Amino acid sequence: DAGVIQSPRHEVTEMGQEVTLRCKPISGHNSLFWYRQTMMRGLELLIYFNNNVPIDDSGMPEDRFSAKMPNASFSTLKIQPSEPRDSAVYFCASSFLAGGPKTQYFGPGTRLLVL
Amino acid sequence: GQSLEQPSEVTAVEGAIVQINCTYQTSGFYGLSWYQQHDGGAPTFLSYNGLDGLEETGRFSSFLSRSDSYGYLLLQELQMKDSASYFCAVSTGTASKLTFGTGTRLQVTL
Repeated sequence: DAGVIQSPRHEVTEMGQEVTLRCKPISGHNSLFWYRQTMMRGLELLIYFNNNVPIDDSGMPEDRFSAKMPNASFSTLKIQPSEPRDSAVYFCASSFLAGGPKTQYFGPGTRLLVL
Repeated sequence: GQSLEQPSEVTAVEGAIVQINCTYQTSGFYGLSWYQQHDGGAPTFLSYNGLDGLEETGRFSSFLSRSDSYGYLLLQELQMKDSASYFCAVSTGTASKLTFGTGTRLQVTL
């Protein structure tokens, strides 16, 4: 398997623009997670889905952020409008919803810079 | 909610042994995981403890004491490539999500 795929890998945009981050989870995994990582706040869980259904979006900063998972193989995280404080690395991760370690497999991340 | 504490930085010399501790407060504890992240990279799974005791995977071992809400990651025969950040993470109940600690930055020196 190719692992979790994220695109784009890097994004530079101007304040106020819409940003869409994309994720393809590992085939067969039924949980998907969006994280944001910054030096100041560490690794934060934004939202996660089980079987394409959003379960917990309490980490989504505000209404400017939205996430969808229209099918088992694709998810998007959208920021509209973007602000400089949204600059961070955004990771998508997937896992198999079952007992045990619930190991999460992370994608390479999208490095977002909002000017 | 959940909270995890781990040291922010640890320095050790090549070939040595280092232990990274993690204490947690949570309800519905299910297990403790450890992830490694190199600079510029993504977190990768290292080890998991669902029961008390020691789990060994090559040079890395992880320990859990549920009664003490405590665990540690033990890295032996340190190599320069082990310089990275290490995160403990708890899973609770049947939820698939993990709550990550703030990470420990390990610097391996010559």
